[in-house]
Amino acid sequence: EAGVAQSPRYKIIEKRQSVAFWCNPISGHATLYWYQQILGQGPKLLIQFQNNGVVDDSQLPKDRFSAERLKGVDSTLKIQPAKLEDSAVYLCASSINTLGTYEQYFGPGTRLTVT
Amino acid sequence: AQSVTQLDSQVPVFEEAPVELRCNYSSSVSVYLFWYVQYPNQGLQLLLKYLSGSTLVKGINGFEAEFNKSQTSFHLRKPSVHISDTAEYFCAVSGNNDMRFGAGTRLTVKP
Repeated sequence: EAGVAQSPRYKIIEKRQSVAFWCNPISGHATLYWYQQILGQGPKLLIQFQNNGVVDDSQLPKDRFSAERLKGVDSTLKIQPAKLEDSAVYLCASSINTLGTYEQYFGPGTRLTVT
Repeated sequence: AQSVTQLDSQVPVFEEAPVELRCNYSSSVSVYLFWYVQYPNQGLQLLLKYLSGSTLVKGINGFEAEFNKSQTSFHLRKPSVHISDTAEYFCAVSGNNDMRFGAGTRLTVKP
């Protein structure tokens, strides 16, 4: 089966610019996650969707970050405006369902550099 | 809420030597435990998971981990490592519907 797809793989922008990342999960997976992985740290959950509804966005900086999964399939994460500290790898993952027993499958990530 | 502490940020080891990567967790509810591996410029890949049952869990690539409830630990082991095992390893804990990752341990296997 096809894995989790993400694009672009790399992005360089200047601070105060905006950027968007796209994720297409594994077919049939109801739950989609966006993580931020800063260099030298583990992934930090930004937002979790169950179908097209938000389950958890408690760690999403809502003044500049937004995410949507309108049709319950692919998802877009946006940053506007970007700050230097947003430089990180943004990982998308999906799982069959939201229960903690289910394995999460990760995409290759988008490496964002803010200058 | 759950949390994970990976006790070693870096572990250098020679090829064919045994290795243990340490992980401790804290949680107020029953947990599920995972180890993921991340190769350079790639996403995370599941090595193994503990959901219930036998406390010794075997995963891919010859790795295994032991769940110790009294010590709240889930250490990862491999009896003989290869150069190709060089990567970042993440321990993760999940409750009912969320997952928290440790900061990672960089395993470097030297010839």
